[in-house]
Amino acid sequence: SQKIEQNSEALNIQEGKTATLTCNYTNYSPAYLQWYRQDPGRGPVFLLLIRENEKEKRKERLKVTFDTTLKQSLFHITASQPADSATYLCALDGNQFYFGTGTSLTVIP
Amino acid sequence: DAGVIQSPRHEVTEMGQEVTLRCKPISGHDYLFWYRQTMMRGLELLIYFNNNVPIDDSGMPEDRFSAKMPNASFSTLKIQPSEPRDSAVYFCATRAGRTDTQYFGPGTRLTVL
Repeated sequence: SQKIEQNSEALNIQEGKTATLTCNYTNYSPAYLQWYRQDPGRGPVFLLLIRENEKEKRKERLKVTFDTTLKQSLFHITASQPADSATYLCALDGNQFYFGTGTSLTVIP
Repeated sequence: DAGVIQSPRHEVTEMGQEVTLRCKPISGHDYLFWYRQTMMRGLELLIYFNNNVPIDDSGMPEDRFSAKMPNASFSTLKIQPSEPRDSAVYFCATRAGRTDTQYFGPGTRLTVL
C-alpha cells in the first residue's frame, strides 16, 4: 500500500528564514500532488497543486517542487512570518487523496 | 457560498450511544469525502461518494460505521454503537470533478466517554 512520510513532526524556524518541508512517498506514482495548510480547530485549506510533469510551482512566497524519480516533494516558504505557523499536509492523488500526517511549523518572531 | 457545513461542531456522548454527523456540501460539487483525524493516525479517508453513490468505503473501520448521501445536498456519518476509540475530529470535504482541489468543512470534534 502507498505510504506518505512528512519530515519531522515539528519544525521551528526564525522569522525571515526559509522553511522547507519534505514529503516522501512510496509504492505509488501520483499524477499530481497537493499541499494543504491546517490551523488548529479548522479543516485543511488547499495551497498548491503540482503535476507530475511540472518540476516547480510558485505562488507568492510559496514554492513546491516535485521529483518523481526521488518520489519526493519539497515545500518552501520564503521570508517566513509568524502567521505562517500552522500544520502543513501533503496529499497524493488517486481516486481519492492520501494525506501525510503533517508537519507542524512554528515561525519564531 | 458558505462552504462545506458540518454539524454539530462538537459532540460529547457516552459509550454505546448512537452518533450522527452531518454534512452539507458546496453546491455543484459532485464528490463528497468523510475523513477522520487523530494525532496518532493523521487524516484518514473513511468513505467517499460520487454523485451521491458510495464509491469506496474501504476506510470505514467496522460495521459500526455507516454513511449515506440521500441527495446532492446532504450526507450523514453514523456510528452505532459508539466507543471511546472513535473519539476524533471528523471532516467532510467536497470537490468538483476528478482532479480539482478538496474543500474541507470545519470538522466535528467527537468525544466518546
